[in-house]
Amino acid sequence: QKEVEQDPGPLSVPEGAIVSLNCTYSNSAFQYFMWYRQYSRKGPELLMYTYSSGNKEDGRFTAQVDKSSKYISLFIRDSQPSDSATYLCAMKGTSGTYKYIFGTGTRLKVLA
Amino acid sequence: NAGVTQTPKFQVLKTGQSMTLQCAQDMNHEYMSWYRQDPGMGLRLIHYSVGAGITDQGEVPNGYNVSRSTTEDFPLRLLSAAPSQTSVYFCASSLVQAGDTQYFGPGTRLTVL
Repeated sequence: QKEVEQDPGPLSVPEGAIVSLNCTYSNSAFQYFMWYRQYSRKGPELLMYTYSSGNKEDGRFTAQVDKSSKYISLFIRDSQPSDSATYLCAMKGTSGTYKYIFGTGTRLKVLA
Repeated sequence: NAGVTQTPKFQVLKTGQSMTLQCAQDMNHEYMSWYRQDPGMGLRLIHYSVGAGITDQGEVPNGYNVSRSTTEDFPLRLLSAAPSQTSVYFCASSLVQAGDTQYFGPGTRLTVL
């Protein structure tokens, strides 16, 4: 079993839809949770970062962490064709660790 | 700032050849890392460094060597390339403080024949 599981998609939605992307994980030591966006043939770029449990909102993006269920989510409101990309979740343990574990990524396509 | 730069962008090698993938950053980041990205496997950590002279292994280190002689540079060496090393390689850097953002380079697409 992988430490981080993520549905690879592809996920196709119409423009304006609310998108929900999810990851599950098995390591209860993970404390830091991140979402990256990766456009085709580009490097990943950080979208959201959350420490421990809770919600964080940034514009159209909301990240949720439920440590009791070992489940994290990224919501995209009013999705746009420019949101079409692969979304990767990533996580790591305490501040003394430097190994980031990434999900496989979910490919999202927002149709105009 | 140029951020994280990687060279070359593309490379084709024959089995058994050696090469070095270059990575440099101009943000004075202590932490630098190398990942490989394969379809269905996501990003997997190869090696990382938390400062000049300090390196450690990640999830998939076999077949790769690294060194960190300066803060700015973190080259990745393939001593004897194998077809299984065909992949897209990304370098990333960040400060070492907990949760700090990793900045990724544009990637190197490597094919080993």
